[in-house]
Amino acid sequence: EVQLLESGGGLVQPGGSLRLSCVASGFTFRNHGMNWVRQAPGKGLEWVSVISGSGGIIFYADSVKGRFTISRDDSKNTLYLQMNSLTAEDTAVYYCAKGGENYGDFESWGQGTLVTVSA
Amino acid sequence: DIQLTQSPSSLSASVGDRVTITCRASRTLANYLNWYQHRPGTAPNLLIYTTSTLQKGVPSRFSGSGSGTDFTLTINNLQPEDFATYYCQQSYTTPYTFGPGTTVDIK
Repeated sequence: EVQLLESGGGLVQPGGSLRLSCVASGFTFRNHGMNWVRQAPGKGLEWVSVISGSGGIIFYADSVKGRFTISRDDSKNTLYLQMNSLTAEDTAVYYCAKGGENYGDFESWGQGTLVTVSA
Repeated sequence: DIQLTQSPSSLSASVGDRVTITCRASRTLANYLNWYQHRPGTAPNLLIYTTSTLQKGVPSRFSGSGSGTDFTLTINNLQPEDFATYYCQQSYTTPYTFGPGTTVDIK
């Protein structure tokens, strides 16, 4: 059974940084693209970033480009999202999502971790 | 970026009803259109990928159709656990984008 467990969320001040982690199990992690998707309070889903199985292909949403960095450690079956220069607009539940044959098919999701950016 | 619109934004239905949700894209998607179900406080769940392929474990009362820029999610014989928000999403190109969602609630 695929399991994805996010951690690292919390309360951070505007301009601050946070690193999210997502530990995966139940599948061959290194073979799959992985994504971060977020949902701000009362809003819809917003894709944030994707990293290929090899780590060689990475894309970001314009809203986070230059501030967020996605990475992975296949030896630890773990996906990361380093978030810098956070603003109130980054307040959201952040989900990691396993890609399918097409990286953008979000086959499995974690339960999410809440990031709150507030003074 | 590819924009997705959904209609209706919300609907009320009864158990046993047939529900249809539409999604329109700002450009052709070559059938790279997915549907997700999202209940509050839970993880979103992939229902349909590449327009019409049912994800493993998803009940057959869910179906998808469409092509080009116009797509449809149909739920037959609506069940109590189907009351949720449904999102379409394009996986044709980055940035991957979602529709604004359609909330299905109990009439």
